[in-house]
Formats: sequence, structure tokens, C-alpha cells
Amino acid sequence: RKEVEQDPGPFNVPEGATVAFNCTYSNSASQSFFWYRQDCRKEPKLLMSVYSSGNEDGRFTAQLNRASQYISLLIRDSKLSDSATYLCVVNVRTGANNLFFGTGTRLTVIP
Amino acid sequence: NAGVMQNPRHLVRRRGQEARLRCSPMKGHSHVYWYRQLPEEGLKFMVYLQKENIIDESGMPKERFSAEFPKEGPSILRIQQVVRGDSAAYFCASSPRQGGDQPQHFGDGTRLSIL
Repeated sequence: RKEVEQDPGPFNVPEGATVAFNCTYSNSASQSFFWYRQDCRKEPKLLMSVYSSGNEDGRFTAQLNRASQYISLLIRDSKLSDSATYLCVVNVRTGANNLFFGTGTRLTVIP
Repeated sequence: NAGVMQNPRHLVRRRGQEARLRCSPMKGHSHVYWYRQLPEEGLKFMVYLQKENIIDESGMPKERFSAEFPKEGPSILRIQQVVRGDSAAYFCASSPRQGGDQPQHFGDGTRLSIL
């Protein structure tokens, strides 16, 4: 079983729509969680960390459900510039400092 | 605003040659990580280094691959006797300190193509 699993999509949504992505992780001892964004053939860029209490940054809301071992990302009022691949990232081993990446969910926002 | 700097951006090698990929971390960062991304796949961890030390190389292939982060200069990922399957994007990331809660900042990557 993969450490981190995501629905690859693609998700094609109109501008202004709300879209949600989920991600599951296999190791219950996982400590840290992040969403990264990767544009085509570019480097991953940190979008936001995910905290147990949930957190919001503008149009983006991230939630963590430890009991079910999943992480979600909600994007409200989608913009064309949100088109990208969204990577769910988990630090799997306690004290370790390398990240396990999901294969990403591809989002295209359509005018 | 110097972020993580990787070079070259693109590297073409013939089978059997050596590839050297360089990474300079962000200013103030002493922890470096290398990842590989095959086409249509997610990033896979390869190795984690601090200055002059390899901390975790659990993702590195046992043969042909090596990494270093000398006291002076960039981190180097070295691939000897390259094969077609080594074609991928290689990303370097850095963080200021150790700790699983530290997000990593990525360079632009080196796209390695093997002819």
C-alpha cells in the first residue's frame, strides 16, 4: 500500500466553483502534513501546512482527520490561476525529515 | 531573494556517462534533500544531507548513485554509468533545521535526459 494516496483527477471546474480534494495516508504515526502545488514541469511550492484543528488561508481550507487518516483541501471561488497539480505530502516517520508525496490531483479551472 | 538554486536546468547524457547535479540551498538552510520525479509519478525521496554528513539515504539506489554536501560549495548528486531509466526530474529541497514539521523549499529541478 502506498504511504500517501490521492485521486489523480483530473478535476475540471468552472471559475468560481468550490472544489475539494482528499488524500489518505497509511501510517497512523505520521506527524506532519502539507499541501504543495506543482505547475506543469515546475518545482513543488508549499501551499499550506495542515494542522489538527484545521486551518484557512484566504480561499484555501485544509483539514486533518487523524481517526480516518485523511487530509482534505477545499478551494473556494476557483480562479484560472488555481489550475495546477495539488500534492498531498506527509512526514511519515517520527523525527524523520523527509516527505512522502502523493502522486497529485490535477485541477483545471475553466473560464 | 535567493531560493534553492539547482543547475543545470537541463542535462543530456548518453548511456554510460556520468551525470552531476548541483544544489545550493537557501541562505541559512543547512539541510538538503534530493527527490526524483519520474514522468506522471509523484516525487520520491532519495537522500537527506547536512553539511558533510549523509543523514538518511534510504531512498537512494544502492549502485551508481551517490550524494555529498561538502563544507564549502553546493550539494552534488552524482549518477555514474547512466541508463535510460535514470531520465527524470531531480529536485533538491532545503530547510533551516531538522524536524518533521519543517516544510521544505524546492529548487527548479534538473531535467535529466538519457539518450
